[in-house]
Amino acid sequence: GAVVSQHPSRVICKSGTSVKIECRSLDFQATTMFWYRQFPKQSLMLMATSNEGSKATYEQGVEKDKFLINHASLTLSTLTVTSAHPEDSSFYICSARDPGQSGQPQHFGDGTRLSIL
Amino acid sequence: AQKITQTQPGMFVQEKEAVTLDCTYDTSDPSYGLFWYKQPSSGEMIFLIYQGSYDQQNATEGRYSLNFQKARKSANLVISASQLGDSAMYFCAMREGRKYKLSFGAGTTVTVRA
Repeated sequence: GAVVSQHPSRVICKSGTSVKIECRSLDFQATTMFWYRQFPKQSLMLMATSNEGSKATYEQGVEKDKFLINHASLTLSTLTVTSAHPEDSSFYICSARDPGQSGQPQHFGDGTRLSIL
Repeated sequence: AQKITQTQPGMFVQEKEAVTLDCTYDTSDPSYGLFWYKQPSSGEMIFLIYQGSYDQQNATEGRYSLNFQKARKSANLVISASQLGDSAMYFCAMREGRKYKLSFGAGTTVTVRA
């Protein structure tokens, strides 16, 4: 099946650090990728839609300058949490739309647990 | 208004029995897609099954089947012959029209008992 790889799986760093998370589609080309944030025992909250070769589309309330998204190729999107603070600690998970599969489902990476001290 | 409603926060099921997870949706777009995902405690999201609004038959994938009742706007997931490994959180999601982003429900936690 379709595979999406997300790295790193866990990050612990000091307040003020910028953290980059990578999301790769390994066996299909993804023109559209998505970044979500999830709090414990809650549903996924869409942060932004990452479009290959163009600017990301952010959901209302998500700071563009705080969460920088780059989608430079058909297999890679990155999320950079700039100057991270403890309130940014969360589970971040990416997904990629598989255009070749019926229904074009989103396939997800394994997520990144970000802890800001 | 909520686009996806999952009314069961948590459920217990005996191993080898079937379990039905409820999902209702709200959309005015005639073209939409419905998805179910499984999220184990480790965090990854696993795609289980898809149902298109124009599909005539209910979707099935192994032990998973989707009970699609269009008039009632419901898309319940049925897991047959439950296994201990089925213990996880399950999310129902919808894509509307030509939009690619998904709206997720609140999720249902399933615990399978031996």
